[in-house]
Amino acid sequence: GDSVTQMEGPVTLSEEAFLTINCTYTATGYPSLFWYVQYPGEGLQLLLKATKADDKGSNKGFEATYRKETTSFHLEKGSVQVSDSAVYFCALSVVTGGFKTIFGAGTRLFVKA
Amino acid sequence: NAGVTQTPKFQVLKTGQSMTLQCAQDMNHEYMSWYRQDPGMGLRLIHYSVGAGITDQGEVPNGYNVSRSTTEDFPLRLLSAAPSQTSVYFCASKQGADTQYFGPGTRLTVL
Repeated sequence: GDSVTQMEGPVTLSEEAFLTINCTYTATGYPSLFWYVQYPGEGLQLLLKATKADDKGSNKGFEATYRKETTSFHLEKGSVQVSDSAVYFCALSVVTGGFKTIFGAGTRLFVKA
Repeated sequence: NAGVTQTPKFQVLKTGQSMTLQCAQDMNHEYMSWYRQDPGMGLRLIHYSVGAGITDQGEVPNGYNVSRSTTEDFPLRLLSAAPSQTSVYFCASKQGADTQYFGPGTRLTVL
């Protein structure tokens, strides 16, 4: 079935370090891909998305490229800040089940000053 | 637009009590869903709806009921609360394969 696998956390980085959070997926057809972020005590909110192969989603310095050949959608940021500390979820949306969204398990990021 | 709203924000129940978590959206989205999030875990889908009058089970539906009489509202009912249902509950809505919008969550404790 459709699934999303993302790297386990927590990930701990110093401020200004480079961030990569790996995400791979399995899906039939051509899913849309998303990264959501959850700050402490809040609901999830969209960080970025890509709807077709080779699209690059970007927002707030974060980027991810839809790689169909490797079924991946890795999240990257060149220089993290303390305010980026949050839980990051990779997700896909498929036609089955009325465009059900499949979430990864989430990766917690801690950024130290 | 208010987006997705949920009430209450916090709730404490005793084992065996019933209650309804309210969810409403003002974006005219067809797809709505309920998730629970336990500490240190990801989201688990409880129930979802692809339109008014249509609901279906997610991966953890036992102990919960839903209905969808209007496009805007998607309440979640706990029939007989159990300590295992202590969790944070999120309602979400979207249109097609597009972005999912989440409510702020309801923090439920069952004693």
